[in-house]
Amino acid sequence: GAGVSQSPRYKVAKRGQDVALRCDPISGHVSLFWYQQALGQGPEFLTYFQNEAQLDKSGLPSDRFFAERPEGSVSTLKIQRTQQEDSAVYLCASSLARGRGPEQYFGPGTRLTVT
Amino acid sequence: DQQVKQNSPSLSVQEGRISILNCDYTNSMFDYFLWYKKYPAEGPTFLISISSIKDKNEDGRFTVFLNKSAKHLSLHIVPSQPGDSAVYFCAARLNDMRFGAGTRLTVKP
Repeated sequence: GAGVSQSPRYKVAKRGQDVALRCDPISGHVSLFWYQQALGQGPEFLTYFQNEAQLDKSGLPSDRFFAERPEGSVSTLKIQRTQQEDSAVYLCASSLARGRGPEQYFGPGTRLTVT
Repeated sequence: DQQVKQNSPSLSVQEGRISILNCDYTNSMFDYFLWYKKYPAEGPTFLISISSIKDKNEDGRFTVFLNKSAKHLSLHIVPSQPGDSAVYFCAARLNDMRFGAGTRLTVKP
């Protein structure tokens, strides 16, 4: 079956521009996660949705970062007024409801470069 | 605070031999530990997990060992194959998932 997909795969933004990154989770997966992965590091948690509810946004680094999942499927991560330190790979993952296994399934990521 | 650490950035082994990847953690409240494998330009792929109430889980060539007293887990790959060459991430779950920085495994033919 289809896995998690993300678009665009690559994004170059000028400092100060707004960007929107899209995630299509696996059909039927209740939980959706966003991670930020800097070069040479592991993924770092940003935010978590259960269906359309954003249950945890403690990892969002600033109020320039905003995520939504209005219908409980597709999610968008928006970064306003991008800064150079926002350059990273942004990973989306989905999983079945909590209690049905801990594994999360990742998309290929969006590599964001802010110039 | 880095709650999950992979202290070896790289490991090289010969095809057919055992690969042992190590991971240390600090938070005793983690309830699951997982290993992910990552190829370039792809997202991490789930490999194997272990509950905090167990000390071993095996799936084919992959075995994960958990030593809770030492707050240490390891992934054993036997026998190693060239296709296993990738970056391996250790992860631990509490509410969210915490990842180590990864270990690059190279399996030489």
